[in-house]
Amino acid sequence: GAGVSQSPSNKVTEKGKDVELRCDPISGHTALYWYRQSLGQGLEFLIYFQGNSAPDKSGLPSDRFSAERTGGSVSTLTIQRTQQEDSAVYLCASSWDPASPLHFGNGTRLTVT
Amino acid sequence: SQELEQSPQSLIVQEGKNLTINCTSSKTLYGLYWYKQKYGEGLIFLMMLQKGGEEKSHEKITAKLDEKKQQSSLHITASQPSHAGIYLCGADMGGSEKLVFGKGTKLTVNP
Repeated sequence: GAGVSQSPSNKVTEKGKDVELRCDPISGHTALYWYRQSLGQGLEFLIYFQGNSAPDKSGLPSDRFSAERTGGSVSTLTIQRTQQEDSAVYLCASSWDPASPLHFGNGTRLTVT
Repeated sequence: SQELEQSPQSLIVQEGKNLTINCTSSKTLYGLYWYKQKYGEGLIFLMMLQKGGEEKSHEKITAKLDEKKQQSSLHITASQPSHAGIYLCGADMGGSEKLVFGKGTKLTVNP
């Protein structure tokens, strides 16, 4: 497809389990971003990739959160030992470069029970 | 404190009415982006503004960035039910590559 693809679209997990969220950016886009959207909190920046490097990880809430990007394309956001406060919609976005508009995927809705 | 303030938080208008949404920053904006989001979906890019005094239009939506580059407004003329959704402003505030977002304005257009 032509857009940013995220999977799964919904994920329900038990507290304490690990989860992996996947993002397929638009082909050719070198910049990739992860954001978290919670009710009433707006969009919270998590991490930014330029190619396979992550020059800005400042938004990751704790060391339970990690992300990687391989081949300058697919990115995976991993949350270890999930907590209920991790419940949110996780959005991925990509762009040609940091100065270009971001193109967002439809997000993964994570529910931790 | 919120770096980008949007107002109003929510807005209900009758179809055909004009409306304005504001986005205000205490810092200089190096780029200002407007997005629209429908429930359960990602953000759709609307417009990007970079120069002070810049104004862009697309169909019935006009966005402006003020001369001091600290406030932007989004104006919808003759609103339609299809305009309903959450409008978010995102800004490049310099110093990093990330965009900072406002909390959004929820727009309802009643037929």
